[in-house]
Amino acid sequence: EVQLVESGGGLVQPGGSLRLSCVASGFAFSSSAMSWVRQAPGEGLEWVSAISGNAGNTYYADSVKGRFTMSRDKSKNTLYLQMNSLRAEDTAVYYCAKDSSPNYWGQGTLVTVSS
Amino acid sequence: DTVLTQTPLSLSVTPGQPASISCKSRQSLLHSDGKTYLFWYLQKPGQSPELLIYEVFSRFSGVPDRFSGSGSGTDFTLKISRVEAEDAGVYYCMQGTHLPFTFGPGTKVDIK
Repeated sequence: EVQLVESGGGLVQPGGSLRLSCVASGFAFSSSAMSWVRQAPGEGLEWVSAISGNAGNTYYADSVKGRFTMSRDKSKNTLYLQMNSLRAEDTAVYYCAKDSSPNYWGQGTLVTVSS
Repeated sequence: DTVLTQTPLSLSVTPGQPASISCKSRQSLLHSDGKTYLFWYLQKPGQSPELLIYEVFSRFSGVPDRFSGSGSGTDFTLKISRVEAEDAGVYYCMQGTHLPFTFGPGTKVDIK
């Protein structure tokens, strides 16, 4: 069974940093593309970033490019999203998902950017 | 960015009746590899999204056959042949052809 468990969300001040983690199980994490998708309170879904399977190429939405970095630790079956220079508009539930066009989703972790 | 529009934005359906949602793209979603990366998701209240349809018309594992997808190029449709109470939620289309990937605004489906 595919499982994705996010953690690391919380309250952070504007300009601050946060690192989200997503522990994956039930599939070949090392060779799978992965994604992050976010959802602001009461809003729709926004694709944030993706990482390819074996090559590890990364792709980002323009709204986060240069501020967010996606990475993975294959030895820990863990996906990361390093978020720097956070803004109020980054406030959202962040979902980790399997594949670049997501097929399995985690439960999400809430990030709140506020002073 | 590839903009997706969905119509209608809300829909109220009687159980047992059909429902249809349209998703239109401003540019063709046909990839150079010959595939069309158009997906449909359902987000039930308080839950994470779940994949219903991938690559226009393929049902994901465990998805009931009352859900079907169709279309090509820039125009796509999700159809529910006979709506059930458990189908309530927000339906999103998403394109995975052009980076950055994008979602439609969502269609809220309410069951009468």
